[in-house]
Amino acid sequence: EPEVTQTPSHQVTQMGQEVILRCVPISNHLYFYWYRQILGQKVEFLVSFYNNEISEKSEIFDDQFSVERPDGSNFTLKIRSTKLEDSAMYFCASRRDRESYNSPLHFGNGTRLTVT
Amino acid sequence: GQSLEQPSEVTAVEGAIVQINCTYQTSGFYGLSWYQQHDGGAPTFLSYNGLDGLEETGRFSSFLSRSDSYGYLLLQELQMKDSASYFCAVTGRNYGQNFVFGPGTRLSVLP
Repeated sequence: EPEVTQTPSHQVTQMGQEVILRCVPISNHLYFYWYRQILGQKVEFLVSFYNNEISEKSEIFDDQFSVERPDGSNFTLKIRSTKLEDSAMYFCASRRDRESYNSPLHFGNGTRLTVT
Repeated sequence: GQSLEQPSEVTAVEGAIVQINCTYQTSGFYGLSWYQQHDGGAPTFLSYNGLDGLEETGRFSSFLSRSDSYGYLLLQELQMKDSASYFCAVTGRNYGQNFVFGPGTRLSVLP
């Protein structure tokens, strides 16, 4: 079964550094997402991406964050200047259909970001 | 805005039946989904309800009442492997293609 893949599985970085988290969504999916989950807490929406542009973004997704689909397969999340509170598990997800709400999110295994 | 409520923890024994409730407040509601997440793992899709009533998938069933802004996930014949966190998630007109997740319910299945 096709799956969403994320790299790296774990990223440690110093405060103020830039990080890029990478994702390869399922190939025939049209909608791409980034969510984050602070340890033991709920899954929080960051941004959705469709047709090569941001569709929606949350209050968390401020100017320090950006997303890009540099080619036909990769989907990246960049944090320009990391803060301690950015430490979390970051999940990429993709979804096949735009209009069918029963089209589920397929999540990758996540990147655990630790900012020191 | 929107808000979802779930019990934080539920404990049950193997073979039992457990119900995890989810209440939501949202405008432009489209549907309610359920996701399972094992410790250290990714959320995985379990079910979706867009209409009132019960949807059954094997040992798991999900129910929705749009008039009560309420749904539940029913897990039957519990197994140890069902120990995980369970999240309800809403989609709605005001969220575009976004899914908003509830706080999650941690289910512990005891032998």
